[in-house]
Amino acid sequence: QKEVEQDPGPLSVPEGAIVSLNCTYSNSAFQYFMWYRQYSRKGPELLMYTYSSGNKEDGRFTAQVDKSSKYISLFIRDSQPSDSATYLCAMRGNTGNQFYFGTGTSLTVIP
Amino acid sequence: DAGVIQSPRHEVTEMGQEVTLRCKPISGHNSLFWYRQTMMRGLELLIYFNNNVPIDDSGMPEDRFSAKMPNASFSTLKIQPSEPRDSAVYFCASTTPGTGTEAFFGQGTRLTVV
Repeated sequence: QKEVEQDPGPLSVPEGAIVSLNCTYSNSAFQYFMWYRQYSRKGPELLMYTYSSGNKEDGRFTAQVDKSSKYISLFIRDSQPSDSATYLCAMRGNTGNQFYFGTGTSLTVIP
Repeated sequence: DAGVIQSPRHEVTEMGQEVTLRCKPISGHNSLFWYRQTMMRGLELLIYFNNNVPIDDSGMPEDRFSAKMPNASFSTLKIQPSEPRDSAVYFCASTTPGTGTEAFFGQGTRLTVV
């Protein structure tokens, strides 16, 4: 079993829809939870991060962490064509520097 | 800062040839990571360095792969001999000292082995 599981999609939604992206994980030592966005032929860029459990909101984006269920989510409200990208979840613990990535979910927002 | 710089951006080589990928991390970052990305397997960690020292190379697929970090501003990933199944996008990333929460990625090197 991989440390981080993510549905690869692809996911296709109409403009303005609410998008929900999810990851599950198995290592209870993970404390930092991140979402990266990767445009085609580019490197991943950090979109949001959360420490431990709870919610974090940034504009149209909301990140949620449920450590009891080992489940994290990214919600995108009022999705735009410019949101079309691959979204990767990533996690790490309090010690060491290694990041554990999901395989990424490909999202297309149709105008 | 120019960010993490990788070269070359694209590499096409014949099977059996040696390939060297290069990375310059962000100045002041003390951790450097090499990843390989494919459609089938996603982003795989190959090796990472802390303070120029290799910490975990368990992701390096075979002895054909080797990585070095001779100083804080430069790292190489070498494949010798290359095989078609090595075709992928290779990313280098760096992060800040301590428990930095953001890994900064380069633009990647798209490797095609024919």
